[in-house]
Amino acid sequence: EIVMTQSPATLSVSPGERATLSCRASQSVNSNLAWYQQKPGQAPRLLIYGASTRATSIPARFSGSGSGTEFTLTISSLQSEDFAVYYCQQCDNWPPVTFGQGTKVEIK
Amino acid sequence: EVQLVESGGDLVQPGGSLKLSCAASGFIFSSYSMSWVRQAPGKGLEWVSYITSRSTTIYYADSVKGRFTISRDNAKNSLYLQMNSLRDDDTAVYYCARRSQGGFYFDYWGQGTLVTVSS
Repeated sequence: EIVMTQSPATLSVSPGERATLSCRASQSVNSNLAWYQQKPGQAPRLLIYGASTRATSIPARFSGSGSGTEFTLTISSLQSEDFAVYYCQQCDNWPPVTFGQGTKVEIK
Repeated sequence: EVQLVESGGDLVQPGGSLKLSCAASGFIFSSYSMSWVRQAPGKGLEWVSYITSRSTTIYYADSVKGRFTISRDNAKNSLYLQMNSLRDDDTAVYYCARRSQGGFYFDYWGQGTLVTVSS
């Protein structure tokens, strides 16, 4: 089973600043990585797939990069609606599909 | 518009059973593989089970194997999860999620249904 590790657990950022979230896989997942956003009381929403492709209707301030075992989600200028928990998920070697434990982006 | 609506969540005693349903609309349900993903209170996401479009391939997480059964009825545009021998640690919000045709990631999710296992 591939273990996904996200860091930091919590990221405190001021509105308008850049946020950089990391995700590490225990073995290579090539570019088969997705990112999701989850707000309190809501279902997860797909942001990025294929490590760097934005999903439908996702704003350009969200970008993904990386391959192999190291991945990054960058939010270029945080808006109020971006404060949420973000999860990475490997989709290379399954079953099982595995998620990271999440990074909470909170207002500084 | 793609919609996934879960139902069936409830309070159940340890050792009990429950069947969840997910009603799909807004897309050709019979063309997509589907999964169940759960989230314990205050915790992260855990994949539970997967079924291909024609039910030919099914997978389970080790944590539920032998206790949960995934199924679907393409004529009714519905996905199901039969949960038996429920344990306290099965307490979670259960989401049904559509697997993208481009890869094993989930492009649409339902709002979830809460299963509470407690005596």
